[in-house]
Amino acid sequence: AQSVSQHNHHVILSEAASLELGCNYSYGGTVNLFWYVQYPGQHLQLLLKYFSGDPLVKGIKGFEAEFIKSKFSFNLRKPSVQWSDTAEYFCAVKVSTDKLIFGTGTRLQVFP
Amino acid sequence: DTAVSQTPKYLVTQMGNDKSIKCEQNLGHDTMYWYKQDSKKFLKIMFSYNNKELIINETVPNRFSPKSPDKAHLNLHINSLELGDSAVYFCASSSGQSRYEQYFGPGTRLTVT
Repeated sequence: AQSVSQHNHHVILSEAASLELGCNYSYGGTVNLFWYVQYPGQHLQLLLKYFSGDPLVKGIKGFEAEFIKSKFSFNLRKPSVQWSDTAEYFCAVKVSTDKLIFGTGTRLQVFP
Repeated sequence: DTAVSQTPKYLVTQMGNDKSIKCEQNLGHDTMYWYKQDSKKFLKIMFSYNNKELIINETVPNRFSPKSPDKAHLNLHINSLELGDSAVYFCASSSGQSRYEQYFGPGTRLTVT
């Protein structure tokens, strides 16, 4: 069965630190990959997405992610986090149907 | 100009009651979804409708019944509410031409006491 793993459950950083959140998926076919962010008390918002082409994808708010097919990974990065990045981050994979399979989420806390 | 809206935002009710959550999207999308987010923030799809037709129905108790009166609306009716139904329920929509992106509503926090 398809699944998405986010190994970092809770990440605590100081402002200006660099961020990398891991995401691995299990599916052998063509995938569409997403990172969503959920700020406290709010709904999910799309940060970035990968469909095809350049495996390095740039999203909003300075985030980027790299698709490495051989590693079945789609890690999220940001060179310098801000307090306002405190949120829950979800990796998701869309396989052959309209279904999005979400990872369990990573809670990021950024302290000033 | 809200894209995907849900009502109510909060719902507190007692076990055994029947309740409905409404979802509307004004994006012109033809596919709508219901997701459940549990207390550990895990998100799981429940249902998906395309042009008012059910296309995804995960292993959800039949106490949950989605209803799509038209392409812009997907309501969720829950019978005989149980404590374990407490969660945040998110509606989402996507376009047939760009089914890859799903746009989420603000969520409905359901608390069953």
